Amino acid sequence: DAGVTQSPTHLIKTRGQHVTLRCSPISGHKSVSWYQQVLGQGPQFIFQYYEKEERGRGNFPDRFSARQFPNYSSELNVNALLLGDSALYLCASSLSGTSGYNEQFFGPGTRLTVL
Amino acid sequence: AQSVSQHNHHVILSEAASLELGCNYSYGGTVNLFWYVQYPGQHLQLLLKYFSGDPLVKGIKGFEAEFIKSKFSFNLRKPSVQWSDTAEYFCAVNFGNAGNMLTFGGGTRLMVKP
Repeated sequence: DAGVTQSPTHLIKTRGQHVTLRCSPISGHKSVSWYQQVLGQGPQFIFQYYEKEERGRGNFPDRFSARQFPNYSSELNVNALLLGDSALYLCASSLSGTSGYNEQFFGPGTRLTVL
Repeated sequence: AQSVSQHNHHVILSEAASLELGCNYSYGGTVNLFWYVQYPGQHLQLLLKYFSGDPLVKGIKGFEAEFIKSKFSFNLRKPSVQWSDTAEYFCAVNFGNAGNMLTFGGGTRLMVKP
């Protein structure tokens, strides 16, 4: 079975630009979460979507937005990129999104570099 | 504020040495606890998890962890490490009032010398 897939693998942008990152969950999983992992730190929660609705949002500015599509894939959008947005962006999927009893499966991540 | 801390940022061990990585969290309510591992060049993988029941849980590759509620701790252990255990280890906590959101510790980078 295919795991969580993310695209692109790597991305280089300049300050002020916009970026869209994509995630496809494991088949049958209806919840997708996004995390930001800055070099040398643990992943930090950005968003969770379940059944196409936002179920949780971390402490990130409004420049960050996301959505989930009817096929449960998801996009993370970041506007007006700053140097500090350089990080590995991780997508995780789980069967359900309503409790913490669901194991989350992580994708390989998208490495974003902002110059 | 709810937080997770891993006190050891870098650990260097020789093969066959025993391993214990600390993880503490700050929250008085119900928690679900996880340890993830990130091998070089690979994505995060679940080592083990604790939801309820026996506080000593066993995971993959010979790892185990013990939940001590009174100490708000969930330490990871392995009796004898191998060179292939070289990786970064993350403790993650789902706080009971936070849906399925995970709060991660800062990670511990383990290097095992052959």
